[in-house]
Amino acid sequence: DIQMTQSPASLSASVGDTVTITCRTSQSISNFVNWYQRKPGKAPKLLIYAASSMQGGVPSRFSGGGSGTDFSLTIRGLQPDDFATYYCQQSNRAPFNFGQGTKVEIK
Amino acid sequence: QVQLLESGGGVVQPGRSLRLTCEASRFNLREYDMHWVRQTPGGGPQWVAIISNDGRHKNYADFVRGRITVSRDNSNNRLYLEMDNLRVEDTALYHCARGSHVTYHDILSGYYFDLWGQGTQVTVS
Repeated sequence: DIQMTQSPASLSASVGDTVTITCRTSQSISNFVNWYQRKPGKAPKLLIYAASSMQGGVPSRFSGGGSGTDFSLTIRGLQPDDFATYYCQQSNRAPFNFGQGTKVEIK
Repeated sequence: QVQLLESGGGVVQPGRSLRLTCEASRFNLREYDMHWVRQTPGGGPQWVAIISNDGRHKNYADFVRGRITVSRDNSNNRLYLEMDNLRVEDTALYHCARGSHVTYHDILSGYYFDLWGQGTQVTVS
């Protein structure tokens, strides 16, 4: 199985800040990494697929990068709506494991 | 609007069974692979199962294999998860999710879960 190591587990930031979340996979998987946002009581939302492709309707302040084993999600100019938990996921093969999540909190 | 809606969760005793349903709205379920994903408070999501668009191919996470069966009824736009011999550690919020892919020159270049339901809570106690 492909394991996902996501960091940090949590971070505090202010509106307008730029934050980066990283994810490392236990095997090289090309660009088969996705990023999701989760808010309490809401369905998870796909932000980025194939490492760097933005899902339709997602604000351009979100961007993804990386390939092989190291991936990142960057949010430039944090907005109040962005305070949530973010998860990476590998989609190279089943089981489609997720990272443990990064909770982005208001400083 | 395009959405997935889960139902069937509840409180059950260990060893009992439960059947979850996921109803798809405003899109044709038969065009997509579908997944079940669960999440416990404070933990990351756990992928549980996949069923191919035609229902012929299925795969399960090791921690549920042999106790869970995924099925679908494309004519009624519904997905199911039959859970048997439930354990306390199966307590979680269960989501269904739609699998989509992107290709480049006919080669798979990305696979992702682009639509999720809000989930149905299963509590084993």
